Amino acid sequence: AQKVTQAQTEISVVEKEDVTLDCVYETRDTTYYLFWYKQPPSGELVFLIRRNSFDEQNEISGRYSWNFQKSTSSFNFTITASQVVDSAVYFCALISAGGTSYGKLTFGQGTILTVHP
Amino acid sequence: EAGVTQFPSHSVIEKGQTVTLRCDPISGHDNLYWYRRVMGKEIKFLLHFVKESKQDESGMPNNRFLAERTGGTYSTLKVQPAELEDSGVYFCASSHPRRGTFFGPGTRLTVL
Repeated sequence: AQKVTQAQTEISVVEKEDVTLDCVYETRDTTYYLFWYKQPPSGELVFLIRRNSFDEQNEISGRYSWNFQKSTSSFNFTITASQVVDSAVYFCALISAGGTSYGKLTFGQGTILTVHP
Repeated sequence: EAGVTQFPSHSVIEKGQTVTLRCDPISGHDNLYWYRRVMGKEIKFLLHFVKESKQDESGMPNNRFLAERTGGTYSTLKVQPAELEDSGVYFCASSHPRRGTFFGPGTRLTVL
């Protein structure tokens, strides 16, 4: 069985601070995909990134960066110079059945990020 | 290209009533999923359709929940009779092998 743990329930920062959201996963599969989704106050789930288990390169997209470390089964997400618009619930998720990048997602509990002006 | 749509966006019903949620996937996406997030907890998988067939319904909580996908197009999720613990946000998602998984905006269900 697979499991995703986001130990941080809530994080509060002041604008322009950097913040890292932790994600630890468990799976017995060697091929799997990891995701981050953002849920803003409007409620929809917004896809941020997908990473497969064979690609451990870190990725940067603007103020967002992701650190994937198989050795520690972690896929952490960092927001640099946070902004109020970053306030949302962030979910880490895993697909490990069948080795496909689409399918049944296992989500973490979510981390509520609040960025104060 | 239109995204995944869900109707209604909000539903408030009383315990014992019936509610039907609808999901229209992205055109051409054979895979359709239902998920649910109960307040403060993780988003949990309910079931997976491939076209009109139920591929995996291991996450359905009990037999008060019935999902259908007529003709492999839109899907409905009926809760009958609704209980207080059914309150939450119900998400639908559709996926395509080469394009990824896309979520709808969710339906917020409140059972009083």
